[in-house]
Order: sequence, then C-alpha cells, then structure tokens
Amino acid sequence: GAVVSQHPSRVICKSGTSVKIECRSLDFQATTMFWYRQFPKQSLMLMATSNEGSKATYEQGVEKDKFLINHASLTLSTLTVTSAHPEDSSFYICSVPEGGDPTDTQYFGPGTRLTVL
Amino acid sequence: GIQVEQSPPDLILQEGANSTLRCNFSDSVNNLQWFHQNPWGQLINLFYIPSGTKQNGRLSATTVATERYSLLYISSSQTTDSGVYFCAVVKAAGNKLTFGGGTRVLVKP
Repeated sequence: GAVVSQHPSRVICKSGTSVKIECRSLDFQATTMFWYRQFPKQSLMLMATSNEGSKATYEQGVEKDKFLINHASLTLSTLTVTSAHPEDSSFYICSVPEGGDPTDTQYFGPGTRLTVL
Repeated sequence: GIQVEQSPPDLILQEGANSTLRCNFSDSVNNLQWFHQNPWGQLINLFYIPSGTKQNGRLSATTVATERYSLLYISSSQTTDSGVYFCAVVKAAGNKLTFGGGTRVLVKP
C-alpha cells in the first residue's frame, strides 16, 4: 500500500498564531489530495480537495481564508490554519488516492493533532 | 449527499468471539473501503470492496452493491482488534470519500 506522511504529528500553539501541516505522498505522484478533520469520538469530515496546479475545492461550511491549502508539487500538499483558535483544535488527516483516482483505494496519513491554547 | 450509516455504534466482545459490522449507504457507489483506526489515530486500510467478497486472514468483507450495504466480519477476535472501524464510500459519478459514523469495538481478554 501507498505510504503517506504528515508533519508535524502533534502541535500545540497559542491562539492567534498560524500552523502549517504538510502531507507527502511517498510512493506515487498525486494530482489530488484530500484533507479531513476529526473531532474526538466523531467520524472524519472532508474539509477540502487539494488540486495540484489549481485552487483547492472547499466543502460547505469550511472557510477557505482560514484553512489555506497549497498543492506545491505532485507529492506535497500543505494545510495552513491561520489565526488559530481553541475551536480549531482537532485531528487533521490527509489522504491520497491511488493513481490520482478518487474512486480507487485511498491511503491516509498518520494525522496531525492540533491543540490551540 | 450520500448517507452512510454503520451499526452497531459500539461493540464489546470477548476474545475469541466472532462479530459482524454493517454499513448501509443511500446511493450507488463506485468506491467502498473499510478502515480500522488504531488508538494513535492512524487509519489502516482493510478492504477496497465496492462489490463482491474479499478475505484477509481473520477478516472478510462482503458488499452487495444492488442492496446498498456492506458487511465486515471479524472472526476469532483478538484484543488488538480493538479500535474504531469505519466504512467510507464514493458516490457513483462522485469524487469524495464519505465516512460512516464508525463502530467502536472493544475486545476484552
């Protein structure tokens, strides 16, 4: 199976600061990556679709100016949480579809746990 | 959007027992995956099974696409099987993975 890495695995920051999370596809090139958020004891909710070479597509209710996504290369997507607040504390997970096809197997990174004080 | 419902929400098993987890979905799909989320949060791929039956060791899965449900079977459960099991689907002609609410499994020694 594909290997997807995320960095950092855990971050604690003060309210009002920005945090950048990286997602890397180590096994294959990915024109599309996905970002999810998971609150404690809940399921995963899709936040946005990261597209290499074009703007990200955000799900309804997700603020694009707060959650900045940059798909810098075919193996790297970054999610920046700007002006973080305590309610942004969550587990952020990225996924990469095999062969770039969302209908194919998707592989998930290990996640980044964000705590905003 | 497509609705994905998993049952039961919680399951407590004695080590060695067998169990069946169910995933119902409200529309045709072209991707269905089962995952196990371990205590550290990592989602581990179990099956890619938009239709048919697959087996991998003590786990097996069956998807009946025409009736819009999938089943995950755990046989001879072990304590390491504990965690949350998620079903996720991509709606036909869609491109987004939608997750069910999960089944939280606890296997007691």
